[in-house]
Formats: sequence, C-alpha cells, structure tokens
Amino acid sequence: AQKITQTQPGMFVQEKEAVTLDCTYDTSDPSYGLFWYKQPSSGEMIFLIYQGSYDQQNATEGRYSLNFQKARKSANLVISASQLGDSAMYFCAMREGGYSTLTFGKGTMLLVSP
Amino acid sequence: DSGVTQTPKHLITATGQRVTLRCSPRSGDLSVYWYQQSLDQGLQFLIQYYNGEERAKGNILERFSAQQFPDLHSELNLSSLELGDSALYFCASSVFDRDTDTQYFGPGTRLTVL
Repeated sequence: AQKITQTQPGMFVQEKEAVTLDCTYDTSDPSYGLFWYKQPSSGEMIFLIYQGSYDQQNATEGRYSLNFQKARKSANLVISASQLGDSAMYFCAMREGGYSTLTFGKGTMLLVSP
Repeated sequence: DSGVTQTPKHLITATGQRVTLRCSPRSGDLSVYWYQQSLDQGLQFLIQYYNGEERAKGNILERFSAQQFPDLHSELNLSSLELGDSALYFCASSVFDRDTDTQYFGPGTRLTVL
C-alpha cells in the first residue's frame, strides 16, 4: 500500500485565489512528520512546511498552511492568494518515527493562471 | 538557495561507465541523504550518512555506493551505468537525525546515460 497518496495529478487555479492540494498518508507509527516540498520547472526541491504528529495546531508559513486532520490521516496544503510563481510540482512527504528517510507521494502539478 | 551544493549540475555519459556525484551539506548539518527522481519511480530514498557513518539504506542498487568524508561532504558513486539510471539525483541535508529535522535539498545532478 502506498504510504503517501496525492490523488490530484494536476490542479488549476487563478491568480489571487486559494487552492488546496490533497495528501493522505498511511502509518501505524504514533510519531511521524509530514512535509511539503515545491519543485518548480528548474528542478530544485524547496521545503515549504512541516507538521509533526503531536503538534496540536496546524502549521503555517506565510501563505502556506497545512490542514492536518489526524483521524482522517490527511495533511492538505493550502496556498492562499496564489501567485504565478506558485506554478510548480508539489510533493507531500512523510518521515516515520525511528526512520530518517522521507517517503514521497507522486506529486500534484499546480498551474496558476493570470 | 538551500545552502546545499551539488556538482556537477548535468552529467552525460555512456552505458557501462562510472560517475561520481558530489554534495556539500549546509554548514553545520551532520546528516546527508541521497535521493533519485525518475519518471517511472518518482522520488526514492537511496542512502543516508550521519557524521561519516552510514545510517540508513533504501532502494540503492549494488552498483551504487556512497560515502561521507570527515569534512561532511558526500559522494555518490554510480558504476556500470545503464540507460535506466538516467534520473535527477538529489542530495539533502539536515542538522541531526531526528524526526522533526527538515531535510533541505540541493539543486540536483541530472544524469543522462546514453
């Protein structure tokens, strides 16, 4: 079974609108971390936001927020006020307790139109 | 700029050859990770080093090896290259090896095997 599932291969949004990118995860470990990375067409992987499994509040970083619903095992990324520069591939990743490695989803391609 | 550097940026070589990819972690980071990104396999963890010692191994082929040197830079060696080894190879680094540590990625080395 996939540990990280991103069901939206592609998403379209207009500039200045908010968009939610879905991510569900599968783990039986009570301690884990969830990460979102952005990969623009230039190829680099840019860290956006982190949520720990024991964090009581949803993480926020500027225009990025993580809608963490532990019981549903979902960790959706919300981008508010989309900008043209947000057009990129977005990856959700998980790190389980006791392991140092990241397991990535297949990604969602976001296109922001003017 | 994540602070992680990788050289070379692009590498074109022939089947059967051997190449070395180099990574310098962010200043102060002890942990280095190598990931492979290909169209069919997505982003996959290869191997991790922590303060010079191998810490975790993922889907790394026997033809591939890595090491971390006393100055904490790391090298990934790929030998007997095959067409299927063509991919984007990322190095990432983190301060320690804890669940909460964010991994910061370098710009990647794009390997093309002809």
